[in-house]
Amino acid sequence: DVKVTQSSRYLVKRTGEKVFLECVQDMDHENMFWYRQDPGLGLRLIYFSYDVKMKEKGDIPEGYSVSREKKERFSLILESASTNQTSMYLCASSPPLAGESIQYFGAGTRLSVL
Amino acid sequence: AQSVTQPDIHITVSEGASLELRCNYSYGATPYLFWYVQSPGQGLQLLLKYFSGDTLVQGIKGFEAEFKRSQSSFNLRKPSVHWSDAAEYFCAVGAKNQGGKLIFGQGTELSVKP
Repeated sequence: DVKVTQSSRYLVKRTGEKVFLECVQDMDHENMFWYRQDPGLGLRLIYFSYDVKMKEKGDIPEGYSVSREKKERFSLILESASTNQTSMYLCASSPPLAGESIQYFGAGTRLSVL
Repeated sequence: AQSVTQPDIHITVSEGASLELRCNYSYGATPYLFWYVQSPGQGLQLLLKYFSGDTLVQGIKGFEAEFKRSQSSFNLRKPSVHWSDAAEYFCAVGAKNQGGKLIFGQGTELSVKP
């Protein structure tokens, strides 16, 4: 089975802190994604990556950055956390460009910014 | 613009009753269509997918969905709901050569009455 692991289930941070959310997948997938999930808004794409050191902005990249130094790991960074970034964050991975679009999800990190 | 609409934010059904969750999409390319389920506190799990061929697709847990191109719809159905089906359901659309990117609907929360 594909496994996507997010390092933390729950995080509480203070406004202005730098926050790292980590995601690791074990299926050698090229594509990785970060979403945030808010009630009534579904999943919104923050950033995605097609390969190591490659990244592209999604629909709501403001206030976030990402890092992909190794194929299996994709990190989401909140440079200076704000209260409006309190949310559920979901990481996903999928097979390469020409393949199927099935995404496999981690369990999510619920982030509270106080 | 590309979009996915799930018109029902919250649905309540009795255990043993039939279920239909609606999904409408607007997408320029030939779509790949998905239904995911999210149990409380969990990530998203793929229920079923449509890429091509037979427009009635079977998924896990007794779910099925029908692709109707003329109506731009991909409704999810189950003939007899179980209490364990209570969860949030997301419809998503993607396409070939889109790098695995998906657009998600807002989600439908399903409650099951005993």
